[in-house]
Amino acid sequence: SYELTQPPSVSVSPGQTASITCSGDKLGDKYACWYQQRPGQSPVLVIYQDNKRPSGIPERFSGSNSGNTATLTISGTQAMDEADYYCQAWDSSTVVFGGGTTLTVL
Amino acid sequence: QVTLKESGPVLVKPTETLTLTCTVSGFSLSNARMGVSWIRQPPGKALEWLAHIFSNDEKSYSTSLKNRLTISKDTSKSQVVLTMTNMDPVDTATYYCARIMSVRTVNWFDPWGQGTLVTVSS
Repeated sequence: SYELTQPPSVSVSPGQTASITCSGDKLGDKYACWYQQRPGQSPVLVIYQDNKRPSGIPERFSGSNSGNTATLTISGTQAMDEADYYCQAWDSSTVVFGGGTTLTVL
Repeated sequence: QVTLKESGPVLVKPTETLTLTCTVSGFSLSNARMGVSWIRQPPGKALEWLAHIFSNDEKSYSTSLKNRLTISKDTSKSQVVLTMTNMDPVDTATYYCARIMSVRTVNWFDPWGQGTLVTVSS
């Protein structure tokens, strides 16, 4: 079965750029999405179709996807961005989530 | 405003069947560009996709759980129902439903419901 691999944790200083990766076999041939989940809350879509931002998501969130890796980039990271982030892709008619990355802003 | 709300039992016993209902508002389950998916999250763990259903009644299930899952919809009631048989303590999780947006070959989940915590214990 298809798998997506994320680093368990990423740390970033306020105002700096955070990059969270998601790896999967030929992931660049699929579309990647990213979801933010703050503690005790439901996931929220922050990136879809590799690099598109839904309405209401700040411009500091961006995405890319090529080869075997999709990347979520948060520029000018703020304390409110501290959360778990999950990548997701479709494999044929089924859905795969990555294991999640905890972003710590310190 | 699009919303989804999960409902069902808080506690189920091992071997019992779980039935969860997702009631949607702000969109129609007959909309050709939309569907609904169920996703769960055990405490402190990652998201796990379970199943989805589209407006044309196309369904898909997690490979590892498909023998235990059934998804259906009642468009007139704006509800999507998921049943999971033979519940086990490892199935303890928060269960979410989410709208699937579909544009050509691109799909994404937005928004998600608030989730409902289901505990499996005797």
